[in-house]
Amino acid sequence: RKEVEQDPGPFNVPEGATVAFNCTYSNSASQSFFWYRQDCRKEPKLLMSVYSSGNEDGRFTAQLNRASQYISLLIRDSKLSDSATYLCVVNAQAGTALIFGKGTTLSVSS
Amino acid sequence: DADVTQTPRNRITKTGKRIMLECSQTKGHDRMYWYRQDPGLGLQLIYYSFDVKDINKGEISDGYSVSRQAQAKFSLSLESAIPNQTALYFCATRDSGTGELFFGEGSRLTVL
Repeated sequence: RKEVEQDPGPFNVPEGATVAFNCTYSNSASQSFFWYRQDCRKEPKLLMSVYSSGNEDGRFTAQLNRASQYISLLIRDSKLSDSATYLCVVNAQAGTALIFGKGTTLSVSS
Repeated sequence: DADVTQTPRNRITKTGKRIMLECSQTKGHDRMYWYRQDPGLGLQLIYYSFDVKDINKGEISDGYSVSRQAQAKFSLSLESAIPNQTALYFCATRDSGTGELFFGEGSRLTVL
């Protein structure tokens, strides 16, 4: 089992749709979790950190389920500008490097 | 100016050539990373460094070497480039407080 796994998609949704991505991780000792966004041929940029209690930033909601070892990202009211690849990132423990999932591609159409 | 700067941005070279990709940062972070990205494979960690005297291998370090010349500089070398090292390479720094990674704009390397 890979350390961090994501459904690659693509997810093709119309504007205004709600879409959810899941990411599973194999190391139960993992401590830090993030969602990054990457536009085509650009560098990844932090979308949001994922906290144990779940967190929301506008139309975006991230949740962590430690028991099942997965994190999720929910995007409400999708915009054309949300079209990108969403990368799940996990840090196993302090002092180790971040591990990226392969990414989930979202395409929002009008 | 970008906080994390990579040079060159694009490079085409031939098999067997030595290549160096350079990365410099103005964020004052101790932690620096080199990743490569191939279509459909996501970002794979090559090497990382937590300070000038600390260098660690990542998932795919074979065929690569690094040098941390100063806190602000972390270079990646391909001693003898081969075609399957054709990829997009990213340097990143990490804020040890928030955990956020800050990436350079990437270096696209093509090995013929």
